[in-house]
Amino acid sequence: GAVVSQHPSRVICKSGTSVKIECRSLDFQATTMFWYRQFPKQSLMLMATSNEGSKATYEQGVEKDKFLINHASLTLSTLTVTSAHPEDSSFYICSARDLAEYEQYFGPGTRLTVT
Amino acid sequence: AQSVAQPEDQVNVAEGNPLTVKCTYSVSGNPYLFWYVQYPNRGLQFLLKYITGDNLVKGSYGFEAEFNKSQTSFHLKKPSALVSDSALYFCAVSPPTSGTYKYIFGTGTRLKVLA
Repeated sequence: GAVVSQHPSRVICKSGTSVKIECRSLDFQATTMFWYRQFPKQSLMLMATSNEGSKATYEQGVEKDKFLINHASLTLSTLTVTSAHPEDSSFYICSARDLAEYEQYFGPGTRLTVT
Repeated sequence: AQSVAQPEDQVNVAEGNPLTVKCTYSVSGNPYLFWYVQYPNRGLQFLLKYITGDNLVKGSYGFEAEFNKSQTSFHLKKPSALVSDSALYFCAVSPPTSGTYKYIFGTGTRLKVLA
């Protein structure tokens, strides 16, 4: 099956700093990538959708200047959390979709802790 | 507003017994339907999908799901549960008009298979 990786799996950063999370599709070309946030014991909340070479489309209520998304190639998307605060601590999950498929394939997630 | 409901927060079933995890949706048109499983601190693993055709679809790990258009339901089933099936299950619906195939997730159902 299609494989999506995320790096890092865990990151701890200080309040006010920025952190970048990478999402890669390893064995397919991801025309569309999605970024989600998941709170403990809750469902996934879609943050944004990105198409390769285009600006990301953010969901209502998601600050695009705080959560910078870049989808520069068909296998890589990055999420940068800028000026992180403790309330940004969460589990961030990316997914990717091949143009030829309907389903999304998910990365293993990144646990962000802001101290 | 479009929504996906998983009415049971938790389902308990004895090992070897059949299991059902319920999902209903309120989405216009003919959406695409998906089931995923999530193990602790991991991303989501794709189980199966319904796009069109036969109402009973088979997926990974012996799971299957039945699409019922009149009841707008897509229940996940397995004839004989294993302890290793214990996990968090998410139903996802993709409205055909979304253009990007983005998902609306249900709230998740925790399956506990008892030995």
